[in-house]
Amino acid sequence: DIVMTQSPDSLAVSLGERATINCKSSQSVLYSSNNKNYLAWYQQKPGQPPKLLIYWASTRASGVPDRFSGSGSGTDFTLIISSLQAEDVAVYYCHQYYSTPAFGQGTKVEIK
Amino acid sequence: QITLKESGPTLVKPTQTLTLTCTFSGFSLSTSGVGVHWIRQPPGKALEWLALIYWNDDKRYSPSLKSRLTITKDTSKNQVVLTMTNMDPVDTATYYCAHQYQPAGPYYYYMDVWGKGTTVTVSS
Repeated sequence: DIVMTQSPDSLAVSLGERATINCKSSQSVLYSSNNKNYLAWYQQKPGQPPKLLIYWASTRASGVPDRFSGSGSGTDFTLIISSLQAEDVAVYYCHQYYSTPAFGQGTKVEIK
Repeated sequence: QITLKESGPTLVKPTQTLTLTCTFSGFSLSTSGVGVHWIRQPPGKALEWLALIYWNDDKRYSPSLKSRLTITKDTSKNQVVLTMTNMDPVDTATYYCAHQYQPAGPYYYYMDVWGKGTTVTVSS
């Protein structure tokens, strides 16, 4: 099974500053036949279900602000919030769907 | 607009069997490529994938929980049912169902719409 490891577990960022979250998979999630990384990112605010932010490692879901961006390939991925807003306070999860689905342990983003 | 809603008991006793229902609208589980997942989240902890059922009735389970899980669908009622046997206090969690659409076939995909979840406590 593929294990997903996120870093850091939590971070505090000032409003308007950049937040960077990393996700590492124990095996590559890049499917060679279509050159796609089977990696998604979700945002979960307190008391709410997860919301899809990014899929195929870098494609923003419908309605997601462009301050959210995803990058990476193979085993190493990054979610960046370019200018943190108060409404971005949440826990963020990466998810690989290359094989049996697995989520990272989550990264809690707070305001400094 | 796709919506999903989970329902089931809020409290079960250890060793009992849990039955959860996901009732959805805005899509059909008879449409090629559609699938419905179950995922759970213990209080304050991470998401854990449980099971997936496809439009063609193909099913996938978490290897660690496979012996305890059964997922079924009732296309006419727009429902997916998850049963989990031999419940234990460590199974206390919020249980979510989520939609996927994978046009290429019965493969894993990202979960684009989630239900709000139902909280289950396991206690005697």
